[in-house]
Amino acid sequence: DVKVTQSSRYLVKRTGEKVFLECVQDMDHENMFWYRQDPGLGLRLIYFSYDVKMKEKGDIPEGYSVSREKKERFSLILESASTNQTSMYLCATRQVNQPQHFGDGTRLSIL
Amino acid sequence: QKEVEQNSGPLSVPEGAIASLICTYSDRGSQSFFWYRQYSGKSPELIMFIYSNGDKEDGRFTAQLNIASQYVSLLIRDSQPSDSATYLCAVRGSGGGADGLTFGKGTHLIIQP
Repeated sequence: DVKVTQSSRYLVKRTGEKVFLECVQDMDHENMFWYRQDPGLGLRLIYFSYDVKMKEKGDIPEGYSVSREKKERFSLILESASTNQTSMYLCATRQVNQPQHFGDGTRLSIL
Repeated sequence: QKEVEQNSGPLSVPEGAIASLICTYSDRGSQSFFWYRQYSGKSPELIMFIYSNGDKEDGRFTAQLNIASQYVSLLIRDSQPSDSATYLCAVRGSGGGADGLTFGKGTHLIIQP
């Protein structure tokens, strides 16, 4: 079974804080993704990575950065959190030419 | 701009009936099609994928792809209350960006006991 683990299910932070969201997979998948999901807007891609130390911008990268130092771990960083970054954050992974599988998600609230 | 459209619903179906969900897409070069189920407050779960024109069956679920008309459908036979969820369609396009995966906004399905 595919297992994608996100570090927190719920997280509350304050405006201006630097926030780290972690995602770990144990399937040796090369591709990893970060999405956010908001009511009425659906899933939107923030960043993705094809391999270690590689990263590419998705559709809405502004205000975010990522890090992939090891194959199994992909981190999403909110450099200076703002209230409009309150959302459900979803990590996904896949092997090449296979479907994406999602972690359980992190519901992030920025106060 | 690649678009994937779904009727947001809610789509209400009596228990035991067939639920039919439709997804249309704009990119003619799209190659792979996925259906995810998402329960409220949970993450999306892959239930079906289809890569070629025609039908693909898995238990109570059937995915149907019509490339000429640019739509993919999901049929759920013998619908159960546990099938009540939001169903997301995702399409992998012909190239460009990321995985080339574009998601629809989902159809909210309600199975009435």
